[in-house]
Amino acid sequence: EAQVTQNPRYLITVTGKKLTVTCSQNMNHEYMSWYRQDPGLGLRQIYYSMNVEVTDKGDVPEGYKVSRKEKRNFPLILESPSPNQTSLYFCASQGGVTKQFFGPGTRLTVL
Amino acid sequence: GDSVTQMEGPVTLSEEAFLTINCTYTATGYPSLFWYVQYPGEGLQLLLKATKADDKGSNKGFEATYRKETTSFHLEKGSVQVSDSAVYFCALTPGLYNFNKFYFGSGTKLNVKP
Repeated sequence: EAQVTQNPRYLITVTGKKLTVTCSQNMNHEYMSWYRQDPGLGLRQIYYSMNVEVTDKGDVPEGYKVSRKEKRNFPLILESPSPNQTSLYFCASQGGVTKQFFGPGTRLTVL
Repeated sequence: GDSVTQMEGPVTLSEEAFLTINCTYTATGYPSLFWYVQYPGEGLQLLLKATKADDKGSNKGFEATYRKETTSFHLEKGSVQVSDSAVYFCALTPGLYNFNKFYFGSGTKLNVKP
C-alpha cells in the first residue's frame, strides 16, 4: 500500500529542546516536501527535496532544517524550537504533478 | 509572487444543496490548479486537478474549471452529502514541469447537515 508515515503524531516539548520529526515514503518518489498548517493560513511549504542530497527552501524555512540522505526518508529538524513553531506539520511525497501523497500529520506544541 | 485566495468559511449547507467554493489565483506563467480535501484528523487528499486553461477537473461529483480570463478555479457540486463535510483547499504549482513548489489557499470548511 502506498504510504507516507510520520512520527511522532503528537509531540509536546519545551523551548530550545532539539527535536526531529521523521517522514518516510514507500513509493520510490524523488520529490518530498514539508508543510505547516496554521488556522487561517492554509498550508505553507517549509522545505522541499527533489532527490537525495538536493533540498531547497519553501516559503517559511526559518527555524527548520531538513536532510535527504536516502530517497525514502526526509526528516524535519527543529534545532531550537520556539512557541511560534507550534503547528500541524505534514510531510508529502510526490511522484508527479498529480501524484502528491500526504502523511497523517504531526501536531507539535512548543511550550 | 504566486498565491491562491479562497472564500472564507465555514460553509454550512443542507444535504442535497448545491455547493460552490470560490478560488482565485495569482501566478506568472501557466500554473496547474488543484483542489485538495482534508477529512478530520487526516492528511490532504487530491480531489481534482486541471493543468491548462479551460480544462475541467472532476471527481466524486465535484467539478472545477480552469478559467484563465478570470484567474479562477471554483469548486462545485450539484448535491452535497453529509460525508462531504471536510476542509477544502485550492492550490497551484507554477507549471506542469515545475511542481516542486505548491501554494495553498487558507482552506474552506464545509459542514453538511442531514
